[in-house]
Amino acid sequence: EGHLVESGGIVAQPGGSLRLSCAASGFTFGDYTMHWVRQPPGKGLEWVSLISWDSGATYYSDSVRGRFTISRDNSKDSLYLQMNSLRTEDTALYYCAKPSRMGSYAFGVWGQGTMVTVSS
Amino acid sequence: SYLLTQPPSVSVAPGQTARIVCGGNNIGSKTVHWSQQKPGQAPVLVVYDNSDRPSGIPERFSGSNSGNTATLTITRVEAGDEADYYCQVWDSSRDHVVFGGGTKLTVL
Repeated sequence: EGHLVESGGIVAQPGGSLRLSCAASGFTFGDYTMHWVRQPPGKGLEWVSLISWDSGATYYSDSVRGRFTISRDNSKDSLYLQMNSLRTEDTALYYCAKPSRMGSYAFGVWGQGTMVTVSS
Repeated sequence: SYLLTQPPSVSVAPGQTARIVCGGNNIGSKTVHWSQQKPGQAPVLVVYDNSDRPSGIPERFSGSNSGNTATLTITRVEAGDEADYYCQVWDSSRDHVVFGGGTKLTVL
């Protein structure tokens, strides 16, 4: 079914930038749309962004559109999230997620998450 | 934007049946998925496509979806079922995934 490992989370200053990575294994990465989902401390899940299998389509939540950019490198089985103009409200655990099957929006595989803290 | 409404908490005694609802405008026309999240862990899919179970998920977990309400039902509740549960849909009008606010299931 697959395995996902996120990295890149750190403490960043408001207005700063950060790039998260997600390494995929155990499945044909290039076949799947991939997603980023975040969870602020003590709060619920919030969908952030998705990218289609061929990078032809990208979508963002209203809260990050224009500041975050999702990308992928199928040759490296990797997903990325470039985060610019960071705000304190971006503080969260960031998960990458894989659908349970092609064409589905049910997240069958999640990574363990990487923590982003935005603070001065 | 499309909103999904869940009760913040549900409590049930061991062995009883827990029902966690997820409300949304004409949610019955959408496909609903449910995830379970235990403290300190990543979410785990427990029901997909309204009522199907991934392999490894006990038959005690089931889902339904009609009208303005989707429901996750857990029969013969065990202490290990204590977790946060999230419903989720794809909002095709805005090309967004939408999560409900989550429901904390407490096993008394």
